[in-house]
Amino acid sequence: EPEVTQTPSHQVTQMGQEVILRCVPISNHLYFYWYRQILGQKVEFLVSFYNNEISEKSEIFDDQFSVERPDGSNFTLKIRSTKLEDSAMYFCASGGTGLYNEQFFGPGTRLTVL
Amino acid sequence: SQQGEEDPQALSIQEGENATMNCSYKTSINNLQWYRQNSGRGLVHLILIRSNEREKHSGRLRVTLDTSKKSSSLLITASRAADTASYFCASNSFYSGGGADGLTFGKGTHLIIQP
Repeated sequence: EPEVTQTPSHQVTQMGQEVILRCVPISNHLYFYWYRQILGQKVEFLVSFYNNEISEKSEIFDDQFSVERPDGSNFTLKIRSTKLEDSAMYFCASGGTGLYNEQFFGPGTRLTVL
Repeated sequence: SQQGEEDPQALSIQEGENATMNCSYKTSINNLQWYRQNSGRGLVHLILIRSNEREKHSGRLRVTLDTSKKSSSLLITASRAADTASYFCASNSFYSGGGADGLTFGKGTHLIIQP
């Protein structure tokens, strides 16, 4: 069964460094998403991406964040200058087509900012 | 309360019993999805129920949706130790246009199945 994959599974970085989190969505899906989950808290929506552009973003998704689909298979989330509070599990998700969009999540990347 | 609030926050039952978790939401929704998360792991999609559906089944799972009460329930029948996990409901707004919508998650119900 096709699934969303994410790399790396765990990333440790120093505050102020740039990180890129990578995702490979399910191949025939058209909608792509990033979410984060700070330890012990809710899963929070960051951004959605469709037709090679951002469709929707939350207030969390500020200028430090960017997304890209560089080659038709990968979907990346970049954090330009990480802060301690960016430490979280980051989930990529993808969805098919249509109005009732099931979203399928990857296993996540645990980001630790020191 | 916020969109997608589950109760109870924690539930502990014996293996073989049924587990019922509830979710309430505030705004009109397009659909509601339930997910499972094992400790420290990813989110596994369980079931999606559309706003025009009232009940849906998938294996040992039964989901109901009451749009008049803005609530949903997830029933797991004949529970197993492997069902131990956190369960979340997630919804997207009826008004915001469909496929590209971000989901709003609740805090989840932590379910423990005692062997």
